[in-house]
Amino acid sequence: DAKTTQPTSMDCAEGRAANLPCNHSTISGNEYVYWYRQIHSQGPQYIIHGLKNNETNEMASLIITEDRKSSTLILPHATLRDTAVYYCIVRVVYVNNDMRFGAGTRLTVKP
Amino acid sequence: DGGITQSPKYLFRKEGQNVTLSCEQNLNHDAMYWYRQDPGQGLRLIYYSQIVNDFQKGDIAEGYSVSREKKESFPLTVTSAQKNPTAFYLCASSMPPGRYTEAFFGQGTRLTVV
Repeated sequence: DAKTTQPTSMDCAEGRAANLPCNHSTISGNEYVYWYRQIHSQGPQYIIHGLKNNETNEMASLIITEDRKSSTLILPHATLRDTAVYYCIVRVVYVNNDMRFGAGTRLTVKP
Repeated sequence: DGGITQSPKYLFRKEGQNVTLSCEQNLNHDAMYWYRQDPGQGLRLIYYSQIVNDFQKGDIAEGYSVSREKKESFPLTVTSAQKNPTAFYLCASSMPPGRYTEAFFGQGTRLTVV
């Protein structure tokens, strides 16, 4: 799988949008971008994923650049409960190969 | 309910003893994964299995062993050869990535070796 790079930490004010960037400059055309988050001492939780098009669900939006070399996860109205470590990974379509995580971004939502 | 279960949640062992961590899923997923997480760090891949009776080493397999005799189960043994086994261990399962697929994680086992 292609590697990803994310900022180590970010802060966001409660009620504001949190925009978390991810760089995946070596992504292949057959790799999805997946986002997970981990709240302290729990198992990671799936947020969203996409291939080429922007995606939105009840939790977040995913914006993928046209060249697919980077993406941004958007939490539209961050709450204190969104404080967590956010991981961006890439995975090959239709292949259950290794699934490697980096260090992620530690998002702190402040009152 | 479908899900992935790790047990126990907390485990204490004496140094030099082997210990086996359980991971069971009823999601009918083909692939299963084991990760180690140290305080303030990300997830590091120990082993993964794409299918029953097959598994591959991840980035930090030394001192660990696994088996995949059943689709539902992927136990991890932390052997006495693992130099620093105290950590938080996470198990995951997945179908091949696609439009409607995602990986699911267990709630983890916190292993303390004294």
